[in-house]
Amino acid sequence: EDKVVQSPLSLVVHEGDTVTLNCSYEVTNFRSLLWYKQEKKAPTFLFMLTSSGIEKKSGRLSSILDKKELFSILNITATQTGDSAIYLCAAQGAQKLVFGQGTRLTINP
Amino acid sequence: SAVISQKPSRDICQRGTSLTIQCQVDSQVTMMFWYRQQPGQSLTLIATANQGSEATYESGFVIDKFPISRPNLTFSTLTVSNLSPEDSSIYLCSVEPSAGGEQFFGPGTRLTVL
Repeated sequence: EDKVVQSPLSLVVHEGDTVTLNCSYEVTNFRSLLWYKQEKKAPTFLFMLTSSGIEKKSGRLSSILDKKELFSILNITATQTGDSAIYLCAAQGAQKLVFGQGTRLTINP
Repeated sequence: SAVISQKPSRDICQRGTSLTIQCQVDSQVTMMFWYRQQPGQSLTLIATANQGSEATYESGFVIDKFPISRPNLTFSTLTVSNLSPEDSSIYLCSVEPSAGGEQFFGPGTRLTVL
């Protein structure tokens, strides 16, 4: 059965800290790994990763994929209170996206 | 990307009734999906809405409970039938504008069943 596992499930840090969120996956006919940020209802797209070892970067956020070890990480540097959200990773198989449980990130001022 | 709207944004319904959720996209897309997110849980795919044919349902979801229409490439509806409190969730539509590419989500519908 396809599975995506995120860790930690919850993380509380202070503004300015750097955080690393983890995502491991086992998905048949894997095509890509996607990261989303969910603040209220709608997940907002962050990154899509298809190749190992190539870092994708957007401002203070970056992500990388390891297709040999079947995991991905999302890094956020110099965190701000606006980064507080649930971060979801999802693995794209042949037919559908399989989501992890999410990491609830709280940034305290 | 794609601009996606959903209606209603939220609703409170009585047990035994039904709710129909609309999803509108600003461009034609082949792939459109419906997800459910129960309180404190992650997203679970309900079905893929296919234009011109019946939706493809995931294990645990049936057409009688979640009928879906897809009359064209920019619009779909999801009906949640015979509501019970366990149906209280956020319902999200998503689209995949390019095959194998990113999926983008609509703003979601928060359903509360009393």
